[in-house]
Amino acid sequence: SQQGEEDPQALSIQEGENATMNCSYKTSINNLQWYRQNSGRGLVHLILIRSNEREKHSGRLRVTLDTSKKSSSLLITASRAADTASYFCATLRGDSNYQLIWGAGTKLIIKP
Amino acid sequence: GAGVSQSPSNKVTEKGKDVELRCDPISGHTALYWYRQSLGQGLEFLIYFQGNSAPDKSGLPSDRFSAERTGGSVSTLTIQRTQQEDSAVYLCASLGTGRNYGYTFGSGTRLTVV
Repeated sequence: SQQGEEDPQALSIQEGENATMNCSYKTSINNLQWYRQNSGRGLVHLILIRSNEREKHSGRLRVTLDTSKKSSSLLITASRAADTASYFCATLRGDSNYQLIWGAGTKLIIKP
Repeated sequence: GAGVSQSPSNKVTEKGKDVELRCDPISGHTALYWYRQSLGQGLEFLIYFQGNSAPDKSGLPSDRFSAERTGGSVSTLTIQRTQQEDSAVYLCASLGTGRNYGYTFGSGTRLTVV
């Protein structure tokens, strides 16, 4: 079963605007990861945040983690048309060494 | 290799036929996963291999599905007597040692059962 839930399911914004996607989960975690998927094929790892971290940056990406609310957000600043993709969060459960639990994803469309 | 390689990239097969999907993980990665993704959906875990340990097959949807990993490297996912509901993208991912690393995915095999 899917633990992570992303919202919104779909997001359409103008190029240059910021895009924020959220992810909620249910169990304790070791880390939370965000991935991007273009055209329904392979996923690309974007960023990983550990359970003892609260915020992480990578280029135009900013991820926050609130373990008390069991939620995370992914912010893409100054969006570009090339950011159009589906974004997934995945959590590595605290009691697992390997099992990632995936959400259903947010479909992001950047309008030029 | 430099990345995870999957073949074929696309496969169209007739209902009832068997198919074999191949995954060649990153050299040295001990963990290998198979996932299935239906159109517009999230990833569904199928099976996990870790080194020489017994694989976790808990995600395989039926006994028509099987997978093996030879020599701790290349893996094949076999679907026997394919059904239309097997149509999906099958993704393979590998992971090096340690938990705090992202997975590397292949480009997937799009399977269409007609």
